Amino acid sequence: QKEVEQNSGPLSVPEGAIASLNCTYSDRGSQSFFWYRQYSGKSPELIMSIYSNGDKEDGRFTAQLNKASQYVSLLIRDSQPSDSATYLCAVNKGGNQFYFGTGTSLTVIP
Amino acid sequence: DTGVSQDPRHKITKRGQNVTFRCDPISEHNRLYWYRQTLGQGPEFLTYFQNEAQLEKSRLLSDRFSAERPKGSFSTLEIQRTEQGDSAMYLCASSPFESGEQFFGPGTRLTVL
Repeated sequence: QKEVEQNSGPLSVPEGAIASLNCTYSDRGSQSFFWYRQYSGKSPELIMSIYSNGDKEDGRFTAQLNKASQYVSLLIRDSQPSDSATYLCAVNKGGNQFYFGTGTSLTVIP
Repeated sequence: DTGVSQDPRHKITKRGQNVTFRCDPISEHNRLYWYRQTLGQGPEFLTYFQNEAQLEKSRLLSDRFSAERPKGSFSTLEIQRTEQGDSAMYLCASSPFESGEQFFGPGTRLTVL
């Protein structure tokens, strides 16, 4: 079983719509959770971190964490073509090892 | 603050050669991580430093790989006797605290011919 699982996509949404990206993790003791955006050929760029159950909003982005169900999601409101990228979910189980999913490819169609 | 930097950005080498990559973390970050990423995969943890101490190594890291952070500032990752399977993007990240947000450098893309 993989530590972190994401749907690889591709996910396509029209410009202005809400994009919903999901991630599940295997270790119930995981402590911190992160979403990164990665453009083709570039390195990951941190979008958001979330540490406790519930929602966390930052501009057009909302991260949601449900530890009981072991999932993390990222909502992107008013999606823009510049949001087209691969979105990586990362999980820390405590200590200093971070586990990344394989990423979900998002395309925002103008 | 210019962020995390890595050098070189690209490296092409022949199988069997040794290569060394450098990472300069964000100056106030004492935690430094190395990852490897291949096409279609997420970054895969290789090793971690807190200051100059190498505290964790992935069991996937063969003995051909070695990393150092001699003065708790920049770090180097060396791959000896490179193999074609070593071709990947090598990413460095730094963080100000444990379990915290990591900030990635631009990566070094290694191609082994």
